[in-house]
Amino acid sequence: GAVVSQHPSRVICKSGTSVKIECRSLDFQATTMFWYRQFPKQSLMLMATSNEGSKATYEQGVEKDKFLINHASLTLSTLTVTSAHPEDSSFYICSARDLLKGVNYGYTFGSGTRLTVV
Amino acid sequence: QQPVQSPQAVILREGEDAVINCSSSKALYSVHWYRQKHGEAPVFLMILLKGGEQKGHDKISASFNEKKQQSSLYLTASQLSYSGTYFCGTEDNNDMRFGAGTRLTVKP
Repeated sequence: GAVVSQHPSRVICKSGTSVKIECRSLDFQATTMFWYRQFPKQSLMLMATSNEGSKATYEQGVEKDKFLINHASLTLSTLTVTSAHPEDSSFYICSARDLLKGVNYGYTFGSGTRLTVV
Repeated sequence: QQPVQSPQAVILREGEDAVINCSSSKALYSVHWYRQKHGEAPVFLMILLKGGEQKGHDKISASFNEKKQQSSLYLTASQLSYSGTYFCGTEDNNDMRFGAGTRLTVKP
């Protein structure tokens, strides 16, 4: 249980284009999803908290107009990297939690998206 | 605020033990531990909620101090499969932040 599906797993795009990454909770509802960015051999840096039916909460230094987050349903959150540049190349990963499982269960992560901007 | 995690890296022989520490400047709601293998998503290991709590399964256990500011992950009699990067995650104000990670390498 508590499966999070993230697509695509890899994407290569040209500089200036936009890329959409989807994160779905397959067997539970997630009112909140987190989006992280991870550079090689580094930690997961929280980018934003995605809230179903309301605006996402962005971390300081994360451009909300560049990283558009939409959480239109209880099972789907999307992250769109707009006007991508090579410095946006990174591993993006989402996570969510099945609150019905109780407080002793942690977060489930999507499999991540490796974005390369050329 | 990110928790402070140490050490950065550990190299062990099979069967040896390791301790990974995670601390925060303020009391936390909870602390989580995750393991990430190269190229994969982090996998949840355990969560601690109460001050003074200790829990574990198999040969991996963790503690949470009374003030809820410090947690340690204990890996005993390590196996090759324990290799990976371990992250502590702390919950505060409905968000989840991770330490810098500890790269654990278990050698035969």
